[in-house]
Amino acid sequence: GNSVTQMEGPVTLSEEAFLTINCTYTATGYPSLFWYVQYPGEGLQLLLKATKADDKGSNKGFEATYRKETTSFHLEKGSVQVSDSAVYFCALTSMDTGRRALTFGSGTRLQVQP
Amino acid sequence: NAGVTQTPKFRVLKTGQSMTLLCAQDMNHEYMYWYRQDPGMGLRLIHYSVGEGTTAKGEVPDGYNVSRLKKQNFLLGLESAAPSQTSVYFCASNVMSSYEQYFGPGTRLTVT
Repeated sequence: GNSVTQMEGPVTLSEEAFLTINCTYTATGYPSLFWYVQYPGEGLQLLLKATKADDKGSNKGFEATYRKETTSFHLEKGSVQVSDSAVYFCALTSMDTGRRALTFGSGTRLQVQP
Repeated sequence: NAGVTQTPKFRVLKTGQSMTLLCAQDMNHEYMYWYRQDPGMGLRLIHYSVGEGTTAKGEVPDGYNVSRLKKQNFLLGLESAAPSQTSVYFCASNVMSSYEQYFGPGTRLTVT
């Protein structure tokens, strides 16, 4: 079945530091890949997505590239801000499942200190 | 356009009590989902629906029932609550042609 593995947190960075959150996946077929963000006390919001190999998703300074050869979709940001403090979830969905439900990683908490 | 809303936001139940969580979406989405979020485990799919009048089991369906009598509403029921059902519950929806899911704000349920 499908699965997503994320690096464990929390990740603590100083403002303006470089961020990488690793995500690898196992899936049949050709999954679409997503990063969702959850701010304290809120639901999940889509941050970025990629639907095929070598696609790069980007939004709000965050980027992730769909690497089929390494089955990875690592999240990066060049300069984090305090406002980026949140929990980040890597997820995938595959047409093979027929239901389009998301399979999530366990989440990585990011704490950015001023 | 309210998106996806969930009622209630918080609830405390005693073991054995029952309750229903309501999810409503105003985006005319065909697909709706119920997930639960537990610490260190991400979100897990409980039940889902691909259209009005249809429901199906997800990854962790035991102890829950669902109904989709109207396209815009998806109800999650707990007939006899157990402490293991203490969690945060999220509803989500998407259109048939897209994988992008829209999430509600969540319901925090505590079973004592």
